[in-house]
Amino acid sequence: GPKVLQIPSHQIIDMGQMVTLNCDPVSNHLYFYWYKQILGQQMEFLVNFYNGKVMEKSKLFKDQFSVERPDGSYFTLKIQPTALEDSAVYFCASSGTGSSAETLYFGSGTRLTVL
Amino acid sequence: AQSVTQPDARVTVSEGASLQLRCKYSYSATPYLFWYVQYPRQGLQLLLKYYSGDPVVQGVNSFEAEFSKSNSSFHLQKASVHWSDSAVYFCALSMISNNRIFFGDGTQLVVKP
Repeated sequence: GPKVLQIPSHQIIDMGQMVTLNCDPVSNHLYFYWYKQILGQQMEFLVNFYNGKVMEKSKLFKDQFSVERPDGSYFTLKIQPTALEDSAVYFCASSGTGSSAETLYFGSGTRLTVL
Repeated sequence: AQSVTQPDARVTVSEGASLQLRCKYSYSATPYLFWYVQYPRQGLQLLLKYYSGDPVVQGVNSFEAEFSKSNSSFHLQKASVHWSDSAVYFCALSMISNNRIFFGDGTQLVVKP
């Protein structure tokens, strides 16, 4: 089926540093998402993105977070500066339009460890 | 407000036994409903989805789910589980008005040999 790729699979950084998580969504998808999962717990919505803009974000999407998809390349999540509580697995997802808009396809996640 | 509840954090069954994972939702209209599976160190994979029509939907790997509007439920079932079905299963709801999807807390399925 459709594949969402996330790069890197693991990232270890020091607190206060900047990190960028990259997502290569399904090629014809137009909606993009980031979810956060701590220690195998519930998937928590961070943000969704369409047509170059953030559509909706949750309270977990702190001011230190930003997303963009420059020139149709990777959909990125940037955290600057990072904090210890940002340690989690971040999942990117994408979905199409019309009748397929509601079905999200997920990547394998990026495990972020903030020391 | 919309929400998804999976009352069982962990379910243990023997290989070959039947399975039901419970899911209740809260939403004023008819939502899109999904079951996703997450294998260790992997992302979520879609098992099946429902919006309208036959309340029993078939998914991959012989899973099926039954929608009940009267009970606000969308339980996942399988007639005979295999050890490879051990994973975390997430029930999810999406509203028609936007593409935001809400997940339940997940149910860890352990299949004993």
